[in-house]
Amino acid sequence: SQKIEQNSEALNIQEGKTATLTCNYTNYSPAYLQWYRQDPGRGPVFLLLIRENEKEKRKERLKVTFDTTLKQSLFHITASQPADSATYLCALDTMDSNYQLIWGAGTKLIIKP
Amino acid sequence: NAGVTQTPKFQVLKTGQSMTLQCAQDMNHNSMYWYRQDPGMGLRLIYYSASEGTTDKGEVPNGYNVSRLNKREFSLRLESAAPSQTSVYFCASTPSGIHTDTQYFGPGTRLTVL
Repeated sequence: SQKIEQNSEALNIQEGKTATLTCNYTNYSPAYLQWYRQDPGRGPVFLLLIRENEKEKRKERLKVTFDTTLKQSLFHITASQPADSATYLCALDTMDSNYQLIWGAGTKLIIKP
Repeated sequence: NAGVTQTPKFQVLKTGQSMTLQCAQDMNHNSMYWYRQDPGMGLRLIYYSASEGTTDKGEVPNGYNVSRLNKREFSLRLESAAPSQTSVYFCASTPSGIHTDTQYFGPGTRLTVL
């Protein structure tokens, strides 16, 4: 079956270090992948979109990579801060699922001071 | 600019009761969506409206109905609530519904069905 997977266990990172979150998928031919941030009790907020023909995308301290051979996207936060603590969701658009994104369950990131 | 608003924020229902979740956006977006979010699972699409006057089923439409009242408003109705519908419900909108659109979410409605 088609699915998209993110680490279900929380990721604990020391402040100032780089946090790396993983999004793996199977049986898709993705066109775009998006990353969102979700804080407790709130809706997701868009962070970055990367296209299948882009290897890397950056925005300030954030970097996303997209490897269609490995069927994987990595999301990096450099110089992490406690304020970066949140759950991060990836969402895949295969172009086969008209208007529908396929969402991962998210990884909870905890940045310790 | 309030973005996407949802009412109510919290709701407790008894099995068999009905209710309507309201969603409105003030960004002049064409497309609107209803998702549910359950622990350990990704967001699942219930229904979407690509443009005013159209609605389509998503991944998990059973037990729900929707109305795109106008361009701004998209409501979700539970006709006979079941405990399996206990969840957090999010409304979202996108400017055009094209694949590179980003989704703008409301704050969610936390629904418990007893």
